[in-house]
Amino acid sequence: SYELTQAPAVSVAPGQTASITCSGDKLGRKYVCWYQQKAGQSPLLVIYESTKRPSGIPDRFSGSNSGNTATLTISGTRTTDEADYYCQVWDSGPGYVFGGGTKVTVL
Amino acid sequence: VQLVESGGGLVQPGGSLRLSCEASGFTFNSYSMKWVRQAPGKGLEWLSHISSDSKTIYYGDSVKGRFTTSRDTVRNSVYLQMNSLRPGDTALYYCARGKLSEGPGFDYWGQGTLVTVSS
Repeated sequence: SYELTQAPAVSVAPGQTASITCSGDKLGRKYVCWYQQKAGQSPLLVIYESTKRPSGIPDRFSGSNSGNTATLTISGTRTTDEADYYCQVWDSGPGYVFGGGTKVTVL
Repeated sequence: VQLVESGGGLVQPGGSLRLSCEASGFTFNSYSMKWVRQAPGKGLEWLSHISSDSKTIYYGDSVKGRFTTSRDTVRNSVYLQMNSLRPGDTALYYCARGKLSEGPGFDYWGQGTLVTVSS
């Protein structure tokens, strides 16, 4: 099976940069996507193909992926960015795999 | 784009339930569709994938052999037939659309339908 590991929680001050990491074996060889899920809402795709933003996603959100780690970076973090963030890949064995999620608190 | 799930509810262990997801606002026949669930207070778990032409179907290990997905191009709907339900299947069940891109990515999600498995 394939596993993705995320830190359970990250705190960031408003206006600062939040970095959310996702680790997996040879992850840099795979496409990674990221989802934002605010409380009581459905997930929202914020990054796909490791670095691309869907239409309507602010350019404050960016993604990178190298080695065994993918990173979602939120620049100039706002209180509205407070949410759970999940990484995801496709692996030929288990199929689509989600990371355990990172709760981002803006304070 | 809109995805509307239905069919959730309370079911006893060992029972069955069929979830539906009606799609609108896009060319349904062109997109793969997925089911994902989220247990209360937990993370996301992918359950199934069905390709645009229904020829390729995948399941997550936790539901393989118990759940079946299908789609109806006339009704613009995707379904999840769930059999042999267990208390651990209690969750909010989402359908999602697969993004037309190289890698993974579910670009639209429904609001979910709640399934509770309990006696």
